[in-house]
Amino acid sequence: KAGVTQTPRYLIKTRGQQVTLSCSPISGHRSVSWYQQTPGQGLQFLFEYFSETQRNKGNFPGRFSGRQFSNSRSEMNVSTLELGDSALYLCASRGALAGTDTQYFGPGTRLTVL
Amino acid sequence: DQQVKQNSPSLSVQEGRISILNCDYTNSMFDYFLWYKKYPAEGPTFLISISSIKDKNEDGRFTVFLNKSAKHLSLHIVPSQPGDSAVYFCAASGRTNAGKSTFGDGTTLTVKP
Repeated sequence: KAGVTQTPRYLIKTRGQQVTLSCSPISGHRSVSWYQQTPGQGLQFLFEYFSETQRNKGNFPGRFSGRQFSNSRSEMNVSTLELGDSALYLCASRGALAGTDTQYFGPGTRLTVL
Repeated sequence: DQQVKQNSPSLSVQEGRISILNCDYTNSMFDYFLWYKKYPAEGPTFLISISSIKDKNEDGRFTVFLNKSAKHLSLHIVPSQPGDSAVYFCAASGRTNAGKSTFGDGTTLTVKP
């Protein structure tokens, strides 16, 4: 089975711009979660989507939004970029409804805001 | 308030010896715990998990121990190999909420040949 894929892998933007990141989960997985990792920090939860519905949301401002499509692919959007948004954005997918399914991560998108 | 803490930012061990990575949590609602390994420029790779109904889980060289009363878990790697050198993250979630995991800040393990 192919793993979680994320595009693009690297992105450079300037302050005030907006950006859209894409995530394709493992085939058959219906849950997609997004995390932000900044230098020296652990992963901070952004949100989770399941069957096109947002299930959980972390403590991030409204500039961070997401959506999920019927094929389970997900996109994350950040509007009005700030320097502090520079980070590695990771998406993770998991399978069924069972709460203890393991999350599998993609390679991440490295976003640099200048 | 950091709910999952990995108090050792780094750990260095000799090849062949045991590596012990520690993790503490504060939220008593957590009942599912995972360890991930991460290399630079890659996403975290799942290593091993444990649910709160167990106190130990083994998978090859990796064993996770859970002490619920102390809200503490540890990952043992025996024997350690140079390829184990990476950042290790501890994560926790509620049983019905595995899509929202809370991560520690990571411990960088270096295994010296």
